[in-house]
Amino acid sequence: KAGVTQTPRYLIKTRGQQVTLSCSPISGHRSVSWYQQTPGQGLQFLFEYFSETQRNKGNFPGRFSGRQFSNSRSEMNVSTLELGDSALYLCASSLGQGQYNEQFFGPGTRLTVL
Amino acid sequence: AQSVAQPEDQVNVAEGNPLTVKCTYSVSGNPYLFWYVQYPNRGLQFLLKYITGDNLVKGSYGFEAEFNKSQTSFHLKKPSALVSDSALYFCAVRDPDSGNTPLVFGKGTRLSVIA
Repeated sequence: KAGVTQTPRYLIKTRGQQVTLSCSPISGHRSVSWYQQTPGQGLQFLFEYFSETQRNKGNFPGRFSGRQFSNSRSEMNVSTLELGDSALYLCASSLGQGQYNEQFFGPGTRLTVL
Repeated sequence: AQSVAQPEDQVNVAEGNPLTVKCTYSVSGNPYLFWYVQYPNRGLQFLLKYITGDNLVKGSYGFEAEFNKSQTSFHLKKPSALVSDSALYFCAVRDPDSGNTPLVFGKGTRLSVIA
């Protein structure tokens, strides 16, 4: 099976712009989660989706949004980019909505905001 | 709310020696605990998990972890370290007794195995 794929792998944007990141989960996985990874804050939870429904949302401003499509693919959007949004954005998928399921991570999208 | 702590930012160990990466957690009920590893420029890879049952859990690449409820710990161990084990290790916890909660990660511990 192919793993979790994320596109693009690298992005450079300027302050004030918006960005959309894409994630394709492992085939058959219906749960997708997003995380922001920075050296200072570590891994911080952004969103969790299951069957197109947002099940959980982390403590991020409204500039961060996401969605999941009927084929389980997911996108996240960051509007009005700030320098502090520079980070590695990781997507993870899991088989179902059970909290005991391990998550499988993609390679991430490295976002740099100038 | 659940939380997890990894008290060591960095662990150094000689190749062939046993290694331990520490993790303590805080939840209101019984935890679901996970270990992940991250190699440079890669996403996280799942190593092992504790859900219920035997306190000693065996995972990928020869790693194991012991769940200790009284000490609220879930330390990662390996009997003989390899240079290729050098990576960033994350402990994570979920609290299923608090409803639908997200996976919460520790800050990570960088393991360096020296030849």
